[in-house]
Amino acid sequence: DTAVSQTPKYLVTQMGNDKSIKCEQNLGHDTMYWYKQDSKKFLKIMFSYNNKELIINETVPNRFSPKSPDKAHLNLHINSLELGDSAVYFCASSLLLAGGFNEQFFGPGTRLTVL
Amino acid sequence: QKEVEQNSGPLSVPEGAIASLNCTYSDRGSQSFFWYRQYSGKSPELIMFIYSNGDKEDGRFTAQLNKASQYVSLLIRDSQPSDSATYLCAVSSYSSASKIIFGSGTRLSIRP
Repeated sequence: DTAVSQTPKYLVTQMGNDKSIKCEQNLGHDTMYWYKQDSKKFLKIMFSYNNKELIINETVPNRFSPKSPDKAHLNLHINSLELGDSAVYFCASSLLLAGGFNEQFFGPGTRLTVL
Repeated sequence: QKEVEQNSGPLSVPEGAIASLNCTYSDRGSQSFFWYRQYSGKSPELIMFIYSNGDKEDGRFTAQLNKASQYVSLLIRDSQPSDSATYLCAVSSYSSASKIIFGSGTRLSIRP
């Protein structure tokens, strides 16, 4: 009955490799997000999809490519991993309501370590 | 200037006292303001949101908003050790409700 789930929880890999993180939500929300949280706890939005359509694409290297096969899933593929990609990646979902209310429900996070 | 600024702390408060967390934001078009709590190694969870100037109370938590000063705060009354966490201030604008900008968080420690 997990609301927002991510896999894997931990990911340790070598520089230059390609990896994917998967996210699924069963809340019926229409909007999903990827955030990166660095070692200083700064949580920065990377991408957002609304009903499978990309609506936010922050200044993120094009090595990062999100994919949303349906509105319950948002995956993140990262090519040619670099040391600076090491962080915790959070998936989130929300139901955008009139007036700007946007409660985000976060997944448990994926701790990525690039060696 | 960062879009959402918070004092990183740590803020140390004795158990039973009032903890006061502050946040300033730069975008005058901001409409919605959120406080998330994040325990170490866990994901953020929403604890309060506020839209209008003034105070909003929920149990031991009070959010305060002053749009003229571009300032939002969170008060925690009767602080408990379980309140020890990082508190993230977040802001969105009416024109871009889907984009939430987070501050870097304030680490709060409640000492017994």
